[in-house]
Amino acid sequence: QKEVEQNSGPLSVPEGAIASLNCTYSDRVSQSFFWYRQYSGKSPELIMSIYSNGDKEDGRFTAQLNKASQYVSLLIRDSQPSDSATYLCAVNMPGNQFYFGTGTSLTVIP
Amino acid sequence: NAGVMQNPRHLVRRRGQEARLRCSPMKGHSHVYWYRQLPEEGLKFMVYLQKENIIDESGMPKERFSAEFPKEGPSILRIQQVVRGDSAAYFCASSRGMNTGELFFGEGSRLTVL
Repeated sequence: QKEVEQNSGPLSVPEGAIASLNCTYSDRVSQSFFWYRQYSGKSPELIMSIYSNGDKEDGRFTAQLNKASQYVSLLIRDSQPSDSATYLCAVNMPGNQFYFGTGTSLTVIP
Repeated sequence: NAGVMQNPRHLVRRRGQEARLRCSPMKGHSHVYWYRQLPEEGLKFMVYLQKENIIDESGMPKERFSAEFPKEGPSILRIQQVVRGDSAAYFCASSRGMNTGELFFGEGSRLTVL
């Protein structure tokens, strides 16, 4: 079983809509969760981190964590064409090891 | 620039040559991770190091690949006798090492094997 799973997509949303990205993880002991954005040909860029159950908002981005369900999500409100990228979910597991999902490709259609 | 620094950004080698990739972590970070990424694929963990110690090398091929993070200087990922299948982007990332620490990436080194 993979440690971190994401739907690979591609996910397409119209400009101005809400994009919803989902991630599940296998290790209940995990404490730290992250979302990265990676543009084609570029390196991953950290956009959100979340450590406790509930929602965390930063501008147009909201991360949601449910440890009981082992589920992390990222909502992007008012999606813009510049949000088109691959979004990687990452989990910091015991031993300070970071596991990444395979990423969800998002396209925002003008 | 206090970010993670990788060099070279691009490296071309012929089959059988050696490739050395260097990574200087962010200021205040003592933990370094190396990942490999093939085109259109996800990040594949290779190795996790602290200063002078390899913590986890479970993702690194047993042959031809080695990594170090000396007391002084950058971390180095070394690939001996490169083959075409080694062509990929190699990303270095660093963290403070705490369980809640965030991971920050360098720009990557893109290796092409002819």
